[in-house]
Amino acid sequence: EIVLTQSPGTLSLSPGERATLSCRASQTIHSSYLAWFQQKPGQPPRLLIYAASSRPTGIPDRFSGSGSGTDFTLTISRLESEDFAVYYCQQYHNFSITFGQGTRLDIK
Amino acid sequence: EVHLVESGGVVVQPGGSLRLSCAGSGFTFDDYAMYWVRQVPGKGLEWLSYITWDGSTTFYGDSVKGRFTVSRDNSKNSLYLQMHSLRLEDTGLYYCAKDISVDTAMVLDSWGQGTLVTVSS
Repeated sequence: EIVLTQSPGTLSLSPGERATLSCRASQTIHSSYLAWFQQKPGQPPRLLIYAASSRPTGIPDRFSGSGSGTDFTLTISRLESEDFAVYYCQQYHNFSITFGQGTRLDIK
Repeated sequence: EVHLVESGGVVVQPGGSLRLSCAGSGFTFDDYAMYWVRQVPGKGLEWLSYITWDGSTTFYGDSVKGRFTVSRDNSKNSLYLQMHSLRLEDTGLYYCAKDISVDTAMVLDSWGQGTLVTVSS
């Protein structure tokens, strides 16, 4: 099973700032199978990025994903108030799906 | 608009059984692979199962393999999770989700609101 480790655990930033969230895999994964989700309290996860860097319809372009191999990054270019939430990365490999433990993005 | 509604979550004793359901609408249900994911309130996400569009292939997470069975009835636009030998650690909010693509991309793009399962004596 591939373990995804997200860092930092908590990130405190102000609206308008840039956020950089990291997801590191315990072994190489195919970029097609790396996704990022946002979750707010009382809501299900929302898909932000899939295939490492693709945005589904309706996701603002301030969200971007990058990376390959074992290191992946979610960047939020200019934080807005509604972006403060928990973010998870997720991968698929060899008939198994795993999620990272999450990064909490707090308002500073 | 895609709509997924889970149901069946209740309080159940350890060792008991339960079947969850997920009703899909707003999309062609039998075109898409489906997933079950759970979350302990306040904690992270754990993938449980995957089923192909036609139910011919299933995968499970290690913690539920041999105890949980995923199935679907495309004539009813419904997904199911049959759970046996429930443990305290199976407590959580159970979500169903659909794949983003008819070609099955292993991307969970739409999720229901979840149904709460509590395993307690």
